[in-house]
Amino acid sequence: GAVVSQHPSRVICKSGTSVKIECRSLDFQATTMFWYRQFPKQSLMLMATSNEGSKATYEQGVEKDKFLINHASLTLSTLTVTSAHPEDSSFYICSARPSGGTLGDTQYFGPGTRLTVL
Amino acid sequence: EDQVTQSPEALRLQEGESSSLNCSYTVSGLRGLFWYRQDPGKGPEFLFTLYSAGEEKEKERLKATLTKKESFLHITAPKPEDSATYLCAVQARGYQKVTFGTGTKLQVIP
Repeated sequence: GAVVSQHPSRVICKSGTSVKIECRSLDFQATTMFWYRQFPKQSLMLMATSNEGSKATYEQGVEKDKFLINHASLTLSTLTVTSAHPEDSSFYICSARPSGGTLGDTQYFGPGTRLTVL
Repeated sequence: EDQVTQSPEALRLQEGESSSLNCSYTVSGLRGLFWYRQDPGKGPEFLFTLYSAGEEKEKERLKATLTKKESFLHITAPKPEDSATYLCAVQARGYQKVTFGTGTKLQVIP
């Protein structure tokens, strides 16, 4: 149980284009989902917290107009990187926290999406 | 501000050589402490959640313990497949976000 998927797993795009990443909780409902960014050999950096049906809460220094987050249902959140540039190249990982039940407060992570902007 | 410090940064063990990873934390009221394992190029895989001092949890060769200031991840008789980066994270009461440490990279040599 507690499986989270991400799609795509890898994407290469040209500078200036937008890229959408999907995060789905496959076997549980998640009121809250999180988006992280991870640079090589570094730990996870929280970008934003999204609650189903509400606007996402962005961490300090994260541009909300550049990283659009939508959490339209209890099993799906999307991250859109708008007008991507090479400095946006990174490993993006989502996580989901189950809504009640026996799984508690634990966040379950997706497999990550490697974004490369040329 | 919540802080998580993990040590050592890297650890190299011979297969079968038991050891412990440390996670020191400061948090304004602990809601939960989490251990994850991360393989290169993959998302973190959940291992344990600990909620209160004195709590212990075990899974195969791994055992996690918790005090009011730190947590230990004990690895007994590790195997090469235990090689990974182990991440510790804390969540404060009343807050949704968790704060991650920078991890311990474990290498187990056959």
